Amino acid sequence: GAGVSQSPSNKVTEKGKDVELRCDPISGHTALYWYRQSLGQGLEFLIYFQGNSAPDKSGLPSDRFSAERTGGSVSTLTIQRTQQEDSAVYLCASSTDSSNQPQHFGDGTRLSIL
Amino acid sequence: AQSVTQLDSQVPVFEEAPVELRCNYSSSVSVYLFWYVQYPNQGLQLLLKYLSGSTLVKGINGFEAEFNKSQTSFHLRKPSVHISDTAEYFCAVNSGGYQKVTFGTGTKLQVIP
Repeated sequence: GAGVSQSPSNKVTEKGKDVELRCDPISGHTALYWYRQSLGQGLEFLIYFQGNSAPDKSGLPSDRFSAERTGGSVSTLTIQRTQQEDSAVYLCASSTDSSNQPQHFGDGTRLSIL
Repeated sequence: AQSVTQLDSQVPVFEEAPVELRCNYSSSVSVYLFWYVQYPNQGLQLLLKYLSGSTLVKGINGFEAEFNKSQTSFHLRKPSVHISDTAEYFCAVNSGGYQKVTFGTGTKLQVIP
């Protein structure tokens, strides 16, 4: 079956521009996570959606970052006024609503800010 | 609160030698534990998970891990590594409910021919 799909796979943009990253989770998965992985670094949690609950935004690094999840499915991560330090791989993962189930990851979006 | 510690950022090992990647966790309640592997330019994929029952968990690609409650550890082992095992390995913990998963900082396994 289809896995988690992220688009675009690569994005190059100029400093100061806004970018939108898209995540299509596995159908039926109610939990959706966004992570950032900078070069040589581990996973940095950004935001967590679980069903109809208010999202956990505690990992968003600044107010330039926002995310939404429409209809409990597709999610968009938006970065406004991009900075060079935003360059990283952005990973999306989804899982069922049970905490004992693993996350399924997409292959990520590699974002490069010039 | 829950947390995960992977003390080794990099582990070099010769091909066909055994390897152990260490993971220690902290949680005030029962936990679910996971190991993921990340190959270059890919997302993470599940290697194995501990939910309950037998403390020795077997996963894909010949890996296994042992849950040790008294030592709050969940170390990953493989008796004989292959070049293709070169990747980054992440340990993760979830204490249940709707709490988000917490990942360790990762261990890069480098298999030397």
